[in-house]
Amino acid sequence: EFQLLESGGDLVQPGGSLRLSCAASGFTFSSYAMSWVRQAPGKGLEWVSDIITTGAGTHYADSVKGRFTISRDNSKDTLYLHMNGLRLEDTAVYYCAKVGTSGIHLWGQGTLVTVSS
Amino acid sequence: DIQMTQSPSSLSASVGDRVTITCRASQGIRNDLGWYQQKPGKAPKRLIYAASSLQSGVPSRFSGSGSGTEFTLTISSLQSEDFATYYCLQHYSYPWTFGQGTKVEIK
Repeated sequence: EFQLLESGGDLVQPGGSLRLSCAASGFTFSSYAMSWVRQAPGKGLEWVSDIITTGAGTHYADSVKGRFTISRDNSKDTLYLHMNGLRLEDTAVYYCAKVGTSGIHLWGQGTLVTVSS
Repeated sequence: DIQMTQSPSSLSASVGDRVTITCRASQGIRNDLGWYQQKPGKAPKRLIYAASSLQSGVPSRFSGSGSGTEFTLTISSLQSEDFATYYCLQHYSYPWTFGQGTKVEIK
């Protein structure tokens, strides 16, 4: 069965850094692009970033460009999101998601990032 | 960036009602649109892909239509388990963008 398991969410001070991980199982991870999507408390969904199968191509939302870096290790079936310069408005549940030819198909359960002093 | 305008933002309906939710794109996106259902505290779940294709395992009371700039999600006969928030997502061009969401509540 397909599964995506996020980890790494934590309480961090403004300006701090954090690395999220997403462990994939049940499918051939290296064959799929992957995304991160976030949801601030009580708010809607916001697409954050994605990465192609090889890791050679990435895209970012303007709100995180230059601060966040998406990466993947296909030998470990794991997706990462490196977050630097965290702001209060980055507080959210972060979901990793599997991307098919018709967009986002499968979601993880999410990990909570709280940015607060 | 492509803006996705979703309406209504919320609605109240009864079990058995027909419910329609609309997403309008600020420019043409072919049929590169999906619909997602999210229940409180849970991850979203895809219902519809390519604007009108039903995701495997999703009840047939859900349907999608549209192409270009106007899209519709219809629930033909609302069931108790359908009370949730629904989102559209365009993946035609980056940055991908979601609609603001429609909360479907019990009347």
